[in-house]
Amino acid sequence: GQNIDQPTEMTATEGAIVQINCTYQTSGFNGLFWYQQHAGEAPTFLSYNVLDGLEEKGRFSSFLSRSKGYSYLLLKELQMKDSASYLCAVRDGDYKLSFGAGTTVTVRA
Amino acid sequence: IAGITQAPTSQILAAGRRMTLRCTQDMRHNAMYWYRQDLGLGLRLIHYSNTAGTTGKGEVPDGYSVSRANTDDFPLTLASAVPSQTSVYFCASSSRPNNEQFFGPGTRLTVL
Repeated sequence: GQNIDQPTEMTATEGAIVQINCTYQTSGFNGLFWYQQHAGEAPTFLSYNVLDGLEEKGRFSSFLSRSKGYSYLLLKELQMKDSASYLCAVRDGDYKLSFGAGTTVTVRA
Repeated sequence: IAGITQAPTSQILAAGRRMTLRCTQDMRHNAMYWYRQDLGLGLRLIHYSNTAGTTGKGEVPDGYSVSRANTDDFPLTLASAVPSQTSVYFCASSSRPNNEQFFGPGTRLTVL
């Protein structure tokens, strides 16, 4: 199974940068995903890492260190619409996803 | 239809009743999944199907069954609902099991 930890809540100011950490202990690893979920809505795919390093996609970047069982999602130039939950998910060797409980980010003006 | 649809949007159900949650996708994705989402626990996989005609158990399969008669549909059945099955249920699909998953809008189920 998978044990995935991420902070419950984070607050940041509009225009700032926020880093959401995710640590995992896994019986098999085949990639790490980040999803965004607005309240009352479905999760939407943000990023995917399978190799160590940084993946950049616009204002969002995701980093992975497989040896440390660690990832982070970096949100730059925060906007009010970025207020949401961010879900870290680890894929195992059978291609099934296990999700963390999610980090609720609140962006304040 | 565009993407993944789920029905009903929400439902209140008496304990002991049978209920089927419907999920349909028009993307011709091979793999489909059912999750439940509970506060503080995140998304947990109930059942999955890597291709039409096959299904597998996820992390929390007890009390649920699925079928995958064709590529597009993946219904989830609660044979005899219990209050602990109160949750938000999300269906998801991916073109292949190793690709990103796309989620439906969810079904909010309350079992009294």
